[in-house]
Amino acid sequence: GESVGLHLPTLSVQEGDNSIINCAYSNSASDYFIWYKQESGKGPQFIIDIRSNMDKRQGQRVTVLLNKTVKHLSLQIAATQPGDSAVYFCAENRGGANNLFFGTGTRLTVIP
Amino acid sequence: EAQVTQNPRYLITVTGKKLTVTCSQNMNHEYMSWYRQDPGLGLRQIYYSMNVEVTDKGDVPEGYKVSRKEKRNFPLILESPSPNQTSLYFCASSLSSQGANQPQHFGDGTRLSIL
Repeated sequence: GESVGLHLPTLSVQEGDNSIINCAYSNSASDYFIWYKQESGKGPQFIIDIRSNMDKRQGQRVTVLLNKTVKHLSLQIAATQPGDSAVYFCAENRGGANNLFFGTGTRLTVIP
Repeated sequence: EAQVTQNPRYLITVTGKKLTVTCSQNMNHEYMSWYRQDPGLGLRQIYYSMNVEVTDKGDVPEGYKVSRKEKRNFPLILESPSPNQTSLYFCASSLSSQGANQPQHFGDGTRLSIL
């Protein structure tokens, strides 16, 4: 069936390095994608979003890349800091006002 | 401060004892939603509301009820809780009624344990 998935469940990076978290999707009709960060004991926090008419969007230290050809989404975090340690998950809108599906998440651990 | 507030944050109760988890947002958002989060399954939507007096089922609505009498509040009601409803619950809201087309703001969660 269709799913929002992640290539790696865990990712460890050295402080200061760049991080790349990947997300695969299978619904070619999906037109809006969003990344959330979830720290322990807290609710998901919005990081960045992108619509299907874009390939790339940048925020502060974060970049989201969308490759519609291979149905792949990635989140890049520049100069990863200890405060970036969290679970990151993507979500896709498969069409309509309320058709958002969430992935299961990747746990990012930053090694000091 | 703009926020979504859930209460209680933690609750241990027994099978069959009705409970309500409250959710309130102070951002005048139209859209509100309830999710449950279980290991390995990600966030799954229980119910959502696109405006006052407008509610609809999400992916896993069985065993739950909601109401939206006021714009700011969206309580989740478990009439007869069962152990399979043990989970971490999140309430979320977003500005317009198009909940899947914009960022949602989440509360900090309510951990329910049903014995």
